[in-house]
Amino acid sequence: ETGVTQSPTHLIKTRGQQVTLRCSSQSGHNTVSWYQQALGQGPQFIFQYYREEENGRGNFPPRFSGLQFPNYSSELNVNALELDDSALYLCASSLPLADSYEQYFGPGTRLTVT
Amino acid sequence: AQSVSQHNHHVILSEAASLELGCNYSYGGTVNLFWYVQYPGQHLQLLLKYFSGDPLVKGIKGFEAEFIKSKFSFNLRKPSVQWSDTAEYFCAVNSRDTGRRALTFGSGTRLQVQP
Repeated sequence: ETGVTQSPTHLIKTRGQQVTLRCSSQSGHNTVSWYQQALGQGPQFIFQYYREEENGRGNFPPRFSGLQFPNYSSELNVNALELDDSALYLCASSLPLADSYEQYFGPGTRLTVT
Repeated sequence: AQSVSQHNHHVILSEAASLELGCNYSYGGTVNLFWYVQYPGQHLQLLLKYFSGDPLVKGIKGFEAEFIKSKFSFNLRKPSVQWSDTAEYFCAVNSRDTGRRALTFGSGTRLQVQP
């Protein structure tokens, strides 16, 4: 069974640019959540996708957007990058809503904005 | 809104010492509670979880946690730590009252175990 994978591992962008991060969920998991983990802090919920629809959003501006594809993989897009967007971005997948509340995390993408 | 507080930001212990990490949450409804661990250079892994039933839950690697509903607490314990337990520990909560799986995390506790 393949776990949650994310790409790329590291990324360096310039302020004002746009970035796309990718996530493949664990086999059989149809729910994907994205989190931002700033240095020295706990992960903060960005949004969640269930069956290709956004199913909840945290306190992040609209320039953070996402997609989920029919195979349940997902993308996180961030427009107009700011220095404070530098963080580890984590993707987590979980089983169908009725079955479990656990989330399984990928290794993350380290984004540095200069 | 939910919130999670972890009062110990950095803990330094010697091997074989006992560990207790505090976690308090703020939410009026029914919750699921989790402890995750992040070893250096590795991804977040689930240590243990509480959904319902026995408030004392046992996880991997000898860790356990006790849910005390009246205190809104879910403290993590281990009777004897090892050097390999050096890691960052996060307490997290999500709501059973909604269909979402979104986790609210504490700010983490960095545990350093000295040989």
